[in-house]
Amino acid sequence: DVKVTQSSRYLVKRTGEKVFLECVQDMDHENMFWYRQDPGLGLRLIYFSYDVKMKEKGDIPEGYSVSREKKERFSLILESASTNQTSMYLCASSTPGSGISTDTQYFGPGTRLTVL
Amino acid sequence: AQSVTQLGSHVSVSEGALVLLRCNYSSSVPPYLFWYVQYPNQGLQLLLKYTSAATLVKGINGFEAEFKKSETSFHLTKPSAHMSDAAEYFCAVSSNQAGTALIFGKGTTLSVSS
Repeated sequence: DVKVTQSSRYLVKRTGEKVFLECVQDMDHENMFWYRQDPGLGLRLIYFSYDVKMKEKGDIPEGYSVSREKKERFSLILESASTNQTSMYLCASSTPGSGISTDTQYFGPGTRLTVL
Repeated sequence: AQSVTQLGSHVSVSEGALVLLRCNYSSSVPPYLFWYVQYPNQGLQLLLKYTSAATLVKGINGFEAEFKKSETSFHLTKPSAHMSDAAEYFCAVSSNQAGTALIFGKGTTLSVSS
């Protein structure tokens, strides 16, 4: 079974703090993704990566950055957390199959981040 | 540009009743279509996926979906709801836009009452 793990299930941070969210997958997947999920808005893509050290901006990259130094690990960084970044953050990875937009994505359990 | 519309943010059914969750899509190219489920406090899990091999797609837990090109629909059904089906369901379509991979609908919360 594919396993995607996220470092924390719940996180509380203060405005202005630097926040690191970590994601690790154990299936040697090429592609990894970070989403945020908000009620009534569904999932919105923040960043994705199709290879080590490669990254692409998604729909809502502002206020975020990412790092992928190893294939299995994809980190989301909030440089200076703000209250409007309070959300559920989901990491996903996908197999290097027919294409990044057609491959099945496997999701982690999510990190619920609260910024006070 | 691709898009997905899920009709009804909340659907309530009784245990044993038919489940029907609606999804309409728009796509300028032949789409791949997905249904994902999210149980409380968990990440998303793939229910089923349409890849143009067959219009009726069977998934896990007794769910299935039918691709209807003429109606641009990919509705999710289950003949008999169980209490354990209570969850949020997301429809998604493959994207050929730069900077994205899947386009998700806003989700439908399914409640099942006894």
